[in-house]
Parts: sequence; structure tokens; C-alpha cells
Amino acid sequence: QSVLTLPPSVSAAPGQKVTISCSGSSSNIGNNYVSWYQQLPGTAPKLLIYENNKRPSEIPDRFSGSKSGTSATLGITGLQTGDEADYYCGTWDSSLSAYVFGAGTKVTVL
Amino acid sequence: EVQLVESGGGLVKPGESLRLSCVASGFFVSTYTMNWVRQAPGKGLEWVSSISSSSTYIYYADSVKGRFTISRDNAKNSLYLQMNSLRAEDTAVYYCAGGGSGAFGVVSWFDPWGQGTLVTVSS
Repeated sequence: QSVLTLPPSVSAAPGQKVTISCSGSSSNIGNNYVSWYQQLPGTAPKLLIYENNKRPSEIPDRFSGSKSGTSATLGITGLQTGDEADYYCGTWDSSLSAYVFGAGTKVTVL
Repeated sequence: EVQLVESGGGLVKPGESLRLSCVASGFFVSTYTMNWVRQAPGKGLEWVSSISSSSTYIYYADSVKGRFTISRDNAKNSLYLQMNSLRAEDTAVYYCAGGGSGAFGVVSWFDPWGQGTLVTVSS
């Protein structure tokens, strides 16, 4: 059981928008930076969002991140078939002195 | 091209040891906190261990504390993970990752990632 809660799956049609919420607590999301990762089938994870809302230069602006209180959200607009993947949120947990990941959300493009 | 290449994975029996290595090219690991993250077959990501750029701060997941040791050699642009007393539940793909950190080595993000090396613990 992860300390960060993600929905197991989300889905939408091509071109639509999806949001994935990551819920935590004051010991993790509430007081530390959140990052998001995309893992395409059979590949290594890739950083999508760091420090809550920053995108690496190679990540398109269709991907966005935000944080409010003890929750963080990943948004994907203009959904494409190539976006079908598992998405993970992660942050440091100050009580555990450990980095924690959510269990992952599978995004399906209908 | 920025690249991390892991090696040292394989099939071992419970209780045995293994040493993983990760060599970087295209960037200098000396400026990064370096990390190991694993993924059991069909499961999600699990953070294993992190070491700050000068090795001042080292952290381990409770599941590996006392059995695994992380180390780095900045001169060789390399990261290592010594894994002792291996258990079946340690079976996973082990990823080496660079990353950012803040005060006291608190890990903020992981990038870049290697392609991973598979460790299988089975009798």
C-alpha cells in the first residue's frame, strides 16, 4: 500500500484531456516537491514534470503539473495514442526519510 | 548523448550477493544525486537508495536497509549497488537514475534513467 494514492486507470478519446490526481499527506506532498514519470510499455520511466510544475525542455506543453496542499495533479491535453502508458507521481516523505511513488495510473486512449 | 548503462544483474539464489554497476556517459555524475529504483515484474516503481553528489547523504528504503550498500566513484563516472542477503522479493529490474536534491540530500526528481538490469532471486 503506497502512501501516495493514484487512480488505477483513466481513459479518454484522442484529442481530449485527462487529469491524474496524486493524494498524499503533509509529510510528503504537503512539504516536498512532486515529480511525475511516464513509463511506456517495456521501457524505462521518463521524467515528465519536476518540482511540482516544471517541464524538462523535451517534454511538450501538453503535459502540465500542479500542486495544492497535499495533492498534486498531472494534466495531459490533446491526448494521443502514444500517450498510452503508466504514469507515476513521486515525492520525498520526510517522516519516512524515503522517496515514495504512487502505485501508478494506466492511461488508455479510447 | 546522455546515457546511463547498468550491468551486473543475473540469477542468484536466496542469501547470495550481487553487485550492480552503472556507468554514465554524456554527463558528469559528480554534479548529481544518484539513485537506484527497482520495479518488480508487473509492479510499480519502488525507490531503493540515493547518494548525494559528495556521498554526504545516503538513504535506503526500509526494505533493503542493512542488506544493500550504495556507493559512487565520481572519477569513474559510476554508481554501484552492493546487494547482500538477497531475497525472492528483491527480484526486479533495477534502474540507475540521476536526479536532483535539496537540503540534506532530500531527493526531488529522477532524470536521466538507465534501461535497467534484471535481478532474479530464485532457488
